[in-house]
Amino acid sequence: SQTIHQWPATLVQPVGSPLSLECTVEGTSNPNLYWYRQAAGRGLQLLFYSVGIGQISSEVPQNLSASRPQDRQFILSSKKLLLSDSGFYLCAWSGLAGVQGSQYFGPGTRLTVL
Amino acid sequence: AQRVTQPEKLLSVFKGAPVELKCNYSYSGSPELFWYVQYSRQRLQLLLRHISRESIKGFTADLNKGETSFHLKKPFAQEEDSAMYYCALNQGGKLIFGQGTELSVKP
Repeated sequence: SQTIHQWPATLVQPVGSPLSLECTVEGTSNPNLYWYRQAAGRGLQLLFYSVGIGQISSEVPQNLSASRPQDRQFILSSKKLLLSDSGFYLCAWSGLAGVQGSQYFGPGTRLTVL
Repeated sequence: AQRVTQPEKLLSVFKGAPVELKCNYSYSGSPELFWYVQYSRQRLQLLLRHISRESIKGFTADLNKGETSFHLKKPFAQEEDSAMYYCALNQGGKLIFGQGTELSVKP
């Protein structure tokens, strides 16, 4: 079966510090991978998605970047965090191993920027 | 532009009452729609999709192309249905989510 992991679960960082959030998927090959930010009352906003190693599409201009160094690894980064980067970040995968059109979500990372 | 709208931020009902969570969409094509649910301290997970036309945990959702709606319904709400519900539209493999509706089922 397929599983998706995210870490850390929670993170408190000062403004201006770097960020690295990691997401890994097990039990499937060549998944599509996604990073979302979930804000209260604003739903889920797609930040990045990737259809393969090194292939990243950005959905919204922002202070964040994403990378996919391996088939089942997706990383969300920032060189200098802003207060507005605080939020709940979700990673998701989709692919042939799952239900068509559906995405499967990780447990999320709660980021607080002080 | 493609969009998903959930007009209610919070819906509160009593146990045993019918519940309907509204979802409207705008999409220039044949839509593929989903409902996702997030229970307290659990992951966001797929509840149902319109293609399968199934009932999950007593919930159903019918696609109404004329009204561009995909409302989620359950005839008798249970306390364990309390959760955050998101309607989503598949756009070329990417999901566009609504703002979410928090359902609170009171005893």
